[in-house]
Amino acid sequence: EAGVTQSPTHLIKTRGQQVTLRCSPISGHTSVYWYQQALGLGLQFLLWYDEGEERNRGNFPPRFSGRQFPNYSSELNVNALELEDSALYLCASSYWTGWENGYTFGSGTRLTVV
Amino acid sequence: GEDVEQSLFLSVREGDSSVINCTYTDSSSTYLYWYKQEPGAGLQLLTYIFSNMDMKQDQRLTVLLNKKDKHLSLRIADTQTGDSAIYFCAESKYGGSQGNLIFGKGTKLSVKP
Repeated sequence: EAGVTQSPTHLIKTRGQQVTLRCSPISGHTSVYWYQQALGLGLQFLLWYDEGEERNRGNFPPRFSGRQFPNYSSELNVNALELEDSALYLCASSYWTGWENGYTFGSGTRLTVV
Repeated sequence: GEDVEQSLFLSVREGDSSVINCTYTDSSSTYLYWYKQEPGAGLQLLTYIFSNMDMKQDQRLTVLLNKKDKHLSLRIADTQTGDSAIYFCAESKYGGSQGNLIFGKGTKLSVKP
């Protein structure tokens, strides 16, 4: 069974630019979660999508947005990049009811903003 | 407190036991989790415990849960150099209704040969 896949694995952007990160969940998982892991800050919850709808978002500005497609894959968009957006962006997926299994994480996209 | 708290560093000798502690925030958290992150990788679920349990053992891993004190611990027996990683505890806050696991900042475990 393929795991959660994220692309690209690394990218470098200039301050002010826009970026799109992609995530494909495990087959059958309908919920997708995005987390930001910045140095020293642990994992900060960004967004939760389930069945194509945004269900919850963390304490991030509106320039962080995303969507979930009918095949349950997801995109995370970040506009007007700032230096402090440099981080590892992790996507995870789960069955909505599968809480005992927690989330399955991808390997992340390392974003560097210069 | 508002945050899931963990100590940031732990250093042990190979063959010793490691104990990583965590304090969580929400007494209604249904499940509590331990994840492992190796360098350059995503998070891997190690184990979980349901909130009505006190203890769970899984090979070298033992999880203890004290609901009264909202304290969770992970014991790794016979720690190996391959166990060197960052360990995160996480809670399904609000019973999971908000759809997000709340993570601690992680404990970096260093295993010396």
